[in-house]
Amino acid sequence: DTGVSQNPRHKITKRGQNVTFRCDPISEHNRLYWYRQTLGQGPEFLTYFQNEAQLEKSRLLSDRFSAERPKGSFSTLEIQRTEQGDSAMYLCASSLGLQGRRRDTIYFGEGSWLTVV
Amino acid sequence: QQQVKQSPQSLIVQKGGIPIINCAYENTAFDYFPWYQQFPGKGPALLIAIRPDVSEKKEGRFTISFNKSAKQFSLHIMDSQPGDSATYFCAASRTSGANSKLTFGKGITLSVRP
Repeated sequence: DTGVSQNPRHKITKRGQNVTFRCDPISEHNRLYWYRQTLGQGPEFLTYFQNEAQLEKSRLLSDRFSAERPKGSFSTLEIQRTEQGDSAMYLCASSLGLQGRRRDTIYFGEGSWLTVV
Repeated sequence: QQQVKQSPQSLIVQKGGIPIINCAYENTAFDYFPWYQQFPGKGPALLIAIRPDVSEKKEGRFTISFNKSAKQFSLHIMDSQPGDSATYFCAASRTSGANSKLTFGKGITLSVRP
């Protein structure tokens, strides 16, 4: 148990519907990441927060995707007008992000599986 | 453009064998190289990591060998066990910037037969 909690663990939705995933990072972790993983592939970076500020977004994150981290604690990832190509596991991760630390270990949650039918 | 490449794609060994998984990277700005282990239905878990200022790091049965000039690193699993059967991902990141995001390889599926 890494301490990063994700909900729901599984979601089946019809194409065109909106879905939202929640991530609760390890307590006191300043950095929070969202990744997407499809079968047979490694996780791909989507976006990153330092506290409540969203500092980087991948080109993979189309305008149908939006992520928030209000108050720098939990985060949500919303996908609007879902498409079949959105079917994947969405992984949340967090790290301490202390400046100057040589090792900023990134811990992953167990992921949220999305199936768009 | 795949910045981190793994080989082989899959590996089968007998219990007690020493599987070796290789990884090559392109971005010379990378300075942190972890290996993650992932079981079906679970998120990746950090196994071991290395920085380019050392050529080898060992933790328990897991060893990373690093070759900076070749931009390659590898994972060795000593005395492999059936419980080691999982998918292994190498990754790389730049820790000097504000975002220490990881770039992953595609992963390799390891099966350890009893």
